Amino acid sequence: TQLLEQSPQFLSIQEGENLTVYCNSSSVFSSLQWYRQEPGEGPVLLVTVVTGGEVKKLKRLTFQFGDARKDSSLHITAAQPGDTGLYLCAGSKFQAGTALIFGKGTTLSVSS
Amino acid sequence: DTGVSQNPRHKITKRGQNVTFRCDPISEHNRLYWYRQTLGQGPEFLTYFQNEAQLEKSRLLSDRFSAERPKGSFSTLEIQRTEQGDSAMYLCASSLDEGTVYGYTFGSGTRLTVV
Repeated sequence: TQLLEQSPQFLSIQEGENLTVYCNSSSVFSSLQWYRQEPGEGPVLLVTVVTGGEVKKLKRLTFQFGDARKDSSLHITAAQPGDTGLYLCAGSKFQAGTALIFGKGTTLSVSS
Repeated sequence: DTGVSQNPRHKITKRGQNVTFRCDPISEHNRLYWYRQTLGQGPEFLTYFQNEAQLEKSRLLSDRFSAERPKGSFSTLEIQRTEQGDSAMYLCASSLDEGTVYGYTFGSGTRLTVV
């Protein structure tokens, strides 16, 4: 059973387009993190959202944590080829001492 | 500190052989994690340490897998009697406390190919 479902699994768009990636769960998380991973490298943290309904912006990236803390979204405005990569959401459960649970990821390809 | 370091970067081994990977975390981080990742998928949790204590192990970690973190510094992950299904990227990460604020810092991984 996959605790965190990401959609879409693959996304191929042209430079300048907007996109949204979703991360959904039936479980409640104390926080959610988004990572970006390039081929042959480890994931790199983009943002952490903690409060239900929280919205964070990182340049052209906007992250939102659902009110019920079960889902999150990542919106990219005016995508660029440098945004290409695997986007992963990861949730932290309320129980202390548990490791992050990752979704399967969304592979984004932005062509010029 | 140059981040999380993993060695080797690549390992090709014959089925049935034993392999050992090493991870050097960020020195200030007290938690260390091992994940496994196959192509195009998200990382799957294997195990983690707080200092030298191994606190959680996934059911994915069969008896052929063992991890250690002596003295709470570097960690090793050993796979005995490797199988083709063990082929994957093995990622190590470290964090300060639970990593819920500053996240995990990952190494570049060790790519294992079992032939």
